Amino acid sequence: DAKTTQPPSMDCAEGRAANLPCNHSTISGNEYVYWYRQIHSQGPQYIIHGLKNNETNEMASLIITEDRKSSTLILPHATLRDTAVYYCIESVGNEKLTFGTGTRLTIIP
Amino acid sequence: DAGVIQSPRHEVTEMGQEVTLRCKPISGHNSLFWYRQTMMRGLELLIYFNNNVPIDDSGMPEDRFSAKMPNASFSTLKIQPSEPRDSAVYFCASSLMLWGAEYYEQYFGPGTRLTVT
Repeated sequence: DAKTTQPPSMDCAEGRAANLPCNHSTISGNEYVYWYRQIHSQGPQYIIHGLKNNETNEMASLIITEDRKSSTLILPHATLRDTAVYYCIESVGNEKLTFGTGTRLTIIP
Repeated sequence: DAGVIQSPRHEVTEMGQEVTLRCKPISGHNSLFWYRQTMMRGLELLIYFNNNVPIDDSGMPEDRFSAKMPNASFSTLKIQPSEPRDSAVYFCASSLMLWGAEYYEQYFGPGTRLTVT
């Protein structure tokens, strides 16, 4: 079973920042936090990952709290193409990804 | 790069028939993963290979399922005999695992939608 907890659904207005929370209360010291997303009828797509520090790439930013019990994925300027299910995953080395139910993000025009 | 290629994209078969799903990973990748996605159970890892060797098959549901990777550019997932409860979308993913690297991005294929009637 997935160890992370995410809200089942969220809406965000187009052009605004989408902030997707994730709780990982049992994360261990060597586990990374990964975010993937799955657009309808497609395979999952890697977004970003982090261990302790905040991270940013061309797709998103990842904020990890100091105690590592929660994280937030930020899509700075959401577009309609960002409508997808977003998965927060804990993993060592990314060999075994356990996908939970994720958050269904809907971008509203 | 063509990405991960899966075939067929859709498969409809009758209960009891053998089904073979195929996957071509991204060239140069050394790890391959098979996942299954259903509404009830979500996305589950079935098996993964590293350098063509099965590393973890604990997710394979039962003996009716088997997976092979005869070479670095091809893998199959076989179900024999198939049952209606095997209906799902099956995804193949590949990645490049380097010793000492902190993470390995998995690249997923488009999936095969299997319907067993």
